[in-house]
Amino acid sequence: DAKTTQPNSMESNEEEPVHLPCNHSTISGTDYIHWYRQLPSQGPEYVIHGLTSNVNNRMASLAIAEDRKSSTLILHRATLRDAAVYYCILRNNAGNMLTFGGGTRLMVKP
Amino acid sequence: NAGVTQTPKFHILKIGQSMTLQCTQDMNHNYMYWYRQDPGMGLKLIYYSVGAGITDKGEVPNGYNVSRSTTEDFPLRLELAAPSQTSVYFCASSYPRAGQDGNTIYFGEGSWLTVV
Repeated sequence: DAKTTQPNSMESNEEEPVHLPCNHSTISGTDYIHWYRQLPSQGPEYVIHGLTSNVNNRMASLAIAEDRKSSTLILHRATLRDAAVYYCILRNNAGNMLTFGGGTRLMVKP
Repeated sequence: NAGVTQTPKFHILKIGQSMTLQCTQDMNHNYMYWYRQDPGMGLKLIYYSVGAGITDKGEVPNGYNVSRSTTEDFPLRLELAAPSQTSVYFCASSYPRAGQDGNTIYFGEGSWLTVV
């Protein structure tokens, strides 16, 4: 399975944009890039996903490099409620083995 | 709109005892998963199922068993509990194909298990 690499932790100030990077140099052509986040004492929740083009939704934006070997999750204005562990994972159409890495712990300062 | 429901939420088990963590989903998802998460760590896949009657091992299956007799239910059984199985357990479900339903994986709220 293709693996992802993320920084262990990042800090942000409230109301400022946050860019969370993810490297996935062994991604295959059929792998979708997914982001999930896990708030304290909760199960992970879906944030966004994409294949080749950049994606936007109400929670965040996903910027995918042209060679698809990296991606960036963008939170446009971080709030205290965005403090969580963010996981970047790859999923293909088989979709059966979902492997989570260590994720990035985002700390938001007021 | 229940989604993925896990029971119990909290449980204390003695070494050597057995128990079953229940998981049910009402979204008619084919795929179901069990993960464990140790403190400060990421999620590790224990077992998964691609449909009723079909199960397969994940990264850390030792000490656990699963069954999938219906689409809705995917119980996880711990046999001869050990302190190393103290963890938070998450059940999840999804559609099988990457693009369907936004490819969202739905997680339960977790089951906190302590083995003493």
